Amino acid sequence: EDKVVQSPLSLVVHEGDTVTLNCSYEVTNFRSLLWYKQEKKAPTFLFMLTSSGIEKKSGRLSSILDKKELFSILNITATQTGDSAIYLCAVERGSGGYQKVTFGTGTKLQVIP
Amino acid sequence: DGGITQSPKYLFRKEGQNVTLSCEQNLNHDAMYWYRQDPGQGLRLIYYSQIVNDFQKGDIAEGYSVSREKKESFPLTVTSAQKNPTAFYLCASRMGQIAGNTIYFGEGSWLTVV
Repeated sequence: EDKVVQSPLSLVVHEGDTVTLNCSYEVTNFRSLLWYKQEKKAPTFLFMLTSSGIEKKSGRLSSILDKKELFSILNITATQTGDSAIYLCAVERGSGGYQKVTFGTGTKLQVIP
Repeated sequence: DGGITQSPKYLFRKEGQNVTLSCEQNLNHDAMYWYRQDPGQGLRLIYYSQIVNDFQKGDIAEGYSVSREKKESFPLTVTSAQKNPTAFYLCASRMGQIAGNTIYFGEGSWLTVV
């Protein structure tokens, strides 16, 4: 069974802090790792990672994948209250057949002024 | 506009009743998914479908059923066999057969058992 484990489960920080969210996985036929932000309803896409060691950046957010150690991190620098959300990590697996996408339990981030 | 439409947004069910949640997409996506989310939790996969007339069980399929008679539609039935159905249900879709393409979500449906 595919497994995606995120840590910490929840986190409270002050505005301006830098946070690192972790995602480890066990999946056969790995294809990609995805990060999403969920504020109220539908998760919104942040990053897709397929290759080890290549950092993806978008503003204050960045992410990197280590396929040897089977984990990924999501960094948020200079946090703002608008960063408060659940951050979800997901892994996709599949080879020619079914492309199953499994999500982790999420990390709930709260940024306080 | 292209997207994924889920309905209803809010649904109340009496114990012992079956209910069906609708999911329609006009993105021409091959793959569709149903996830369940409990308060403060991540997403758990119920069922997924890669092509029309075929679908696979996810990690928590017991008490649920699906059909995929049309490419754009993937309804989920929550049966009376599902003992704890109160949750937030998310439908998603993505293009198939392309490595690592992103998954898009609908706005979700809240189901409450009364």
